[in-house]
Amino acid sequence: GDSVTQMEGPVTLSEEAFLTINCTYTATGYPSLFWYVQYPGEGLQLLLKATKADDKGSNKGFEATYRKETTSFHLEKGSVQVSDSAVYFCALPKSGGGFKTIFGAGTRLFVKA
Amino acid sequence: GAGVSQSPSNKVTEKGKDVELRCDPISGHTALYWYRQSLGQGLEFLIYFQGNSAPDKSGLPSDRFSAERTGGSVSTLTIQRTQQEDSAVYLCASSTRRGQETQYFGPGTRLLVL
Repeated sequence: GDSVTQMEGPVTLSEEAFLTINCTYTATGYPSLFWYVQYPGEGLQLLLKATKADDKGSNKGFEATYRKETTSFHLEKGSVQVSDSAVYFCALPKSGGGFKTIFGAGTRLFVKA
Repeated sequence: GAGVSQSPSNKVTEKGKDVELRCDPISGHTALYWYRQSLGQGLEFLIYFQGNSAPDKSGLPSDRFSAERTGGSVSTLTIQRTQQEDSAVYLCASSTRRGQETQYFGPGTRLLVL
């Protein structure tokens, strides 16, 4: 069945370090792929998305490329800031139509000044 | 414009009591979702509403949980005879349609059952 696997956290980085959070998926077909972010005390919000293979989603300095050959959608940022400290969720709609979205377990990021 | 709102933001209750959690989706969004997020865990799907169609309740963990959506807008999640394991953050989200669309989340209701 459809699934999303994220790297376990927490990830702790110093300010201005390079960030990669790995996400791989299994799905039938080519669903849209999403990264959501949850800042402390808040609900989730969309960070970026890609709707087809080889698309690159980007926002706030974050990027992720839809790689169908490796079934991956890794999140990257060249220089993290303290304000990027949050939990990041990779997600995809369940294939076969319908409505369910499958979320990864989340990866907590701590950025130290 | 206004986003998804949820109330209350925090709720403390005693074991065995009933609680009601409210969600106001973004105006015009036909799809509405409820999720549960336990401490340090990912999102657990609970229930989905789409327009006037029958809701999909396949994620509700027990018959103590129920939800309704009045007039295709506001939704209420009810937990009867609460248990300590029900303690979690309950998140509501809405979207314009289902499936591939971006979901917009509310800030959540933090429920603590003593």
